[in-house]
Amino acid sequence: DAGVTQSPTHLIKTRGQHVTLRCSPISGHKSVSWYQQVLGQGPQFIFQYYEKEERGRGNFPDRFSARQFPNYSSELNVNALLLGDSALYLCASSFEPNTEAFFGQGTRLTVV
Amino acid sequence: KQEVTQIPAALSVPEGENLVLNCSFTDSAIYNLQWFRQDPGKGLTSLLLIQSSQREQTSGRLNASLDKSSGRSTLYIAASQPGDSATYLCAGATGGGNKLTFGTGTQLKVEL
Repeated sequence: DAGVTQSPTHLIKTRGQHVTLRCSPISGHKSVSWYQQVLGQGPQFIFQYYEKEERGRGNFPDRFSARQFPNYSSELNVNALLLGDSALYLCASSFEPNTEAFFGQGTRLTVV
Repeated sequence: KQEVTQIPAALSVPEGENLVLNCSFTDSAIYNLQWFRQDPGKGLTSLLLIQSSQREQTSGRLNASLDKSSGRSTLYIAASQPGDSATYLCAGATGGGNKLTFGTGTQLKVEL
């Protein structure tokens, strides 16, 4: 069975640009969450979506947005990129909230 | 606000040794606690999930315990191997189970 898949794996963007990251959850999972991990730190919660509705939002600026599609895949969008947005962006899927979370390999975003 | 702390930050042990990693959390109203493993530059691999009503979970050489009253969880690794070298992260689920709050991890090195 395929695990959580994220694309792209690596990305280099210039300050001020926009980026879209994509995530496909494990088949049958209806919940997708996004996390940001900077070097040397634990992941920080950005968003959770369940059944295509936002169920939680972390302490991130409005430049960050996300959505979940009818097939339960998800996109994370970041506008007006800053150097500080450089991080590993992780997607997690679970059958529903409060069940085991499974993570993808992440998208390494570098903002120059 | 949930805060998660992991001690020690780094640990180096000889092969074959049994070891304990510690995780403490401030908000006892967690839905579950999950332990993950992260290899350098990679995503997170789920190791064990303990529901709030459970005291411990076991998988192979791994055993995790949860004491909500004291705000602590431990991950016990038996007969450590070089392949166990990685960063181990614990995360508590709060906010209706929608948000995982991570510690900063314990970087484990198992030497031959």
